[in-house]
Amino acid sequence: SQKIEQNSEALNIQEGKTATLTCNYTNYSPAYLQWYRQDPGRGPVFLLLIRENEKEKRKERLKVTFDTTLKQSLFHITASQPADSATYLCALVGSARQLTFGSGTQLTVLP
Amino acid sequence: SQTIHQWPATLVQPVGSPLSLECTVEGTSNPNLYWYRQAAGRGLQLLFYSVGIGQISSEVPQNLSASRPQDRQFILSSKKLLLSDSGFYLCASTGTGFGGSIYEQYFGPGTRLTVT
Repeated sequence: SQKIEQNSEALNIQEGKTATLTCNYTNYSPAYLQWYRQDPGRGPVFLLLIRENEKEKRKERLKVTFDTTLKQSLFHITASQPADSATYLCALVGSARQLTFGSGTQLTVLP
Repeated sequence: SQTIHQWPATLVQPVGSPLSLECTVEGTSNPNLYWYRQAAGRGLQLLFYSVGIGQISSEVPQNLSASRPQDRQFILSSKKLLLSDSGFYLCASTGTGFGGSIYEQYFGPGTRLTVT
């Protein structure tokens, strides 16, 4: 069955640095991969979608890469701020647009 | 943009009792709808999805069921709750393609269910 893994459960970085989160998947060839942000006690919020034919996508301080050969996506937050502290989830998109989520990486940006 | 409503926000139920969680969607029509569950300290697990009224697909065998009686209403039910049903239940809807991707999902505020 398809499997999606986010390598780090928790990541602490200093304010102003770039945070890099990793998402790996197996037994699947997704046409789309998404990243969401989830704050405690709340539902996830969509951040970025990247298609299989796109190598990189940017939105303000966020950047996502998608390597279908390595079956890996990297999510970067540049010039990180304490307000970026949250859990970040990657998700693969299925045929009915249903999502298979990774377990998430809890990012803490230290002031 | 879309708004997802879920109620109740929190619920404490004894083992063996029935369950009904409701989700309604505003600001779109004919969306795909989804129920996810997040157990404590774990990721989101897809439970059910629906591509139209009366059409339900189940992802995980369990004692839960779902129904979609109207285009923008999605209900999660159980006849008898188990302790393992405790968790954070989230309803989600797909985008319409207007002002956003049809692949992005909008999530409701969630229902925190504790089965005692």
